[in-house]
Formats: sequence, C-alpha cells, structure tokens
Amino acid sequence: SQTIHQWPATLVQPVGSPLSLECTVEGTSNPNLYWYRQAAGRGLQLLFYSVGIGQISSEVPQNLSASRPQDRQFILSSKKLLLSDSGFYLCAWSSPGDLNYGYTFGSGTRLTVV
Amino acid sequence: QQQVKQSPQSLIVQKGGISIINCAYENTAFDYFPWYQQFPGKGPALLIAIRPDVSEKKEGRFTISFNKSAKQFSLHIMDSQPGDSATYFCAASRYGGATNKLIFGTGTLLAVQP
Repeated sequence: SQTIHQWPATLVQPVGSPLSLECTVEGTSNPNLYWYRQAAGRGLQLLFYSVGIGQISSEVPQNLSASRPQDRQFILSSKKLLLSDSGFYLCAWSSPGDLNYGYTFGSGTRLTVV
Repeated sequence: QQQVKQSPQSLIVQKGGISIINCAYENTAFDYFPWYQQFPGKGPALLIAIRPDVSEKKEGRFTISFNKSAKQFSLHIMDSQPGDSATYFCAASRYGGATNKLIFGTGTLLAVQP
C-alpha cells in the first residue's frame, strides 16, 4: 500500500533561519508531488508541484523553494524564514493522469516562525 | 478563472440535521470536483468526488449535487453526527491532466452539536 511521510510534525524557527521540510512517498513510482500551505483559518494554497525528478513548478512567488532529488522525495526549503512563512505545510501525491483516488496528503508540518 | 469560491465559512448544525456547503467555480475546463474532509492537526482526506457527466453522486450520508450550467456544486451531509465535525474543502481540477492540480476552496468549519 502507498504511504506518505512528512516530517517534522512541528517546528519553531526564528526569523532569518533556514528551513528544510521533507516528504517521502512509498509504494508507488513516478507520483505527482505537491506542497500546499494552509494559513490559520484559510484554505489550501498550492505552492509547488512536481511531475518528475528535478521538475518543479512554482505557483506563487515567495520566499520558499522546492526540490525533488529522487522520484519519491520532495523537499521544501527556505534560506531565510519570514514571519509570514508561518503556517501548516502539507505534502501530497497523486497518480499522474489519474484522479480516481484523489490526493493523498501527509499529516503536515506546523511551522511557527518567531 | 482559477478560483473556487466556497461558502459558508463556518456552519453549526444540530445532530441529525442536514449540513449544506456550496462551491462555485469559474474555469469551464474543470471537470473533476472532489470534497475533502480535514480533522484538526491532520491532512485532508478525500471524501467524495463527482464528474460533470452526472448531476448527483451519493455515498452513504454524503451527497454531491452538481449544476454544470450554473458552475456550482454542493455537499450535503444527511443525518449529521458530532463525528462529522471537521473542516470541509471543495476543489476542482481538470481530470486526466498531467499535473492533476487541485484548486481548493477556502474551507468550511462544520460543528455538529449533540
């Protein structure tokens, strides 16, 4: 069965510090991968998506970047965090061209920038 | 054209009542409309989804109604239970596209009172 792992679960970081959030998927190959951010009381904003190794598309200009060094690994990074980067970050995967099973989301990372 | 508008922002329903959440989209190319359920501190999970070839889809107590001409769709939760208390997101996408990008609504916080 397919599983998605996301860590850490919670993170408190000072302004100006770097960030690295990791997401890995098991039990499938060549998944589409996504990073979403959920601000408090708001919806899910798509930040990045990837259809293959090294292929990253950014949806909104921001202080964050993403990388996909391996087929089932997706990393969200920042060189210098801003207060506005606080939020709940969710990684998700889907089968390319097949939405029958929708997205499978990870359990999320709660990031607080102080 | 990429927006999905969701209402209400929050909803309080008595146990046994009907919960109704509405969404509207703009992009006529969208042809896949899922609903996700999210419990606090967890990632969203696929609840039910519909394609435009049908006007209604029912799974247990959950029903999606779809109005293609009005570009609107809604979630009905019959016999609402306290365990249904969660945040609900509608979404839209182009089914079968290479990226499977889901555009989410802003979410509805549902509280079912016992």
